[in-house]
Amino acid sequence: RKEVEQDPGPFNVPEGATVAFNCTYSNSASQSFFWYRQDCRKEPKLLMSVYSSGNEDGRFTAQLNRASQYISLLIRDSKLSDSATYLCVVNIGYKLSFGAGTTVTVRA
Amino acid sequence: GAVVSQHPSRVICKSGTSVKIECRSLDFQATTMFWYRQFPKKSLMLMATSNEGSKATYEQGVEKDKFLINHASLTLSTLTVTSAHPEDSSFYICSSETNTEAFFGQGTRLTVV
Repeated sequence: RKEVEQDPGPFNVPEGATVAFNCTYSNSASQSFFWYRQDCRKEPKLLMSVYSSGNEDGRFTAQLNRASQYISLLIRDSKLSDSATYLCVVNIGYKLSFGAGTTVTVRA
Repeated sequence: GAVVSQHPSRVICKSGTSVKIECRSLDFQATTMFWYRQFPKKSLMLMATSNEGSKATYEQGVEKDKFLINHASLTLSTLTVTSAHPEDSSFYICSSETNTEAFFGQGTRLTVV
């Protein structure tokens, strides 16, 4: 079983829509969780950390469910510029493990 | 945040040649850097951990003689793909990481023809 698994998508949504997707992780000892954004042929960049209580950053909301070992990302009022691949990242010991990414395409 | 600079961003080389990729930490000293490769629509796969002043630690299945890593200073780590073949074509990216964040270089797209 992969350490971090994501629905690859793609999620094709119109502007203004809400889109949400999850990521599951296998190691219950994982302590830190993140969402990174990766644009085509570019390096990943930190979008937001995910805290136990859930957290929000503008139109983006992240949730952590330790019991079921998944994290989620919700994007409200999506913009064309939100089109990207979103990587779920989990800290396992000294390493960061990356999911394969969920592709989101926002259309006009 | 920390800045990591990777060079070159793109390289095309002939089969059998070697390619060196540099990764520099610009505003901090990095005793450890990580090298990943990423195939299209796939996740970042850790290849090796580069340790300043000592040997790199390679992940299982990564040939250390194929992918030479040198971390000679606190600001520079290099990855050399030796005797490159078309199957080595990929996106290679370095990072410096804490437990809470990864700072990536811009990545190198290698195409071996």
